[in-house]
Amino acid sequence: DAKTTQPTSMDCAEGRAANLPCNHSTISGNEYVYWYRQIHSQGPQYIIHGLKNNETNEMASLIITEDRKSSTLILPHATLRDTAVYYCIVTPISSGSARQLTFGSGTQLTVLP
Amino acid sequence: DVKVTQSSRYLVKRTGEKVFLECVQDMDHENMFWYRQDPGLGLRLIYFSYDVKMKEKGDIPEGYSVSREKKERFSLILESASTNQTSMYLCASSRPSSGSGHQETQYFGPGTRLLVL
Repeated sequence: DAKTTQPTSMDCAEGRAANLPCNHSTISGNEYVYWYRQIHSQGPQYIIHGLKNNETNEMASLIITEDRKSSTLILPHATLRDTAVYYCIVTPISSGSARQLTFGSGTQLTVLP
Repeated sequence: DVKVTQSSRYLVKRTGEKVFLECVQDMDHENMFWYRQDPGLGLRLIYFSYDVKMKEKGDIPEGYSVSREKKERFSLILESASTNQTSMYLCASSRPSSGSGHQETQYFGPGTRLLVL
């Protein structure tokens, strides 16, 4: 599986957009980019995923560069409850069997009042 | 919304005790997973199951066993708890991939923080 690189930590002012970068320069054509987050002492929460097109849902937007070597997760209006560790994960398209997710160190996002 | 529940949020056990961690999902998912999460080590897969009564070892199965008697329930068993099994245990579920090969999203439970004394 392709490795990912994320900043260790970031701060964001409440109400502003939070832009979390992820580098996945060794991604291959059959690998998805997934984003999860984990609020302290809770289980990881799925946010969004994409293959090559930009994606948006009720939680966030995912921008994937044309060469697919990096992506950015955007939380449009960060709130204090968005304070969490954000994980960018690259995982292959499944061949049909279950696959584990490999979580790296993630980015600790702190939303400041 | 997918819901994955785990039987306990916090658990304290003594060395040598048999420990059962239960996980239930309500979305009719075929795949279920047990991970443990430790500081600096990330999530590590213990076991997973892709169907009732089917199970596969993950990266760190030693000291653990699992049971999947019903589709919605996946149990993790610590036969004889040891202090190095003190950890956060996370259960997840997902559908199998579709015909297009798309990797299905895993949904996680709230976690069980186990302390073995």
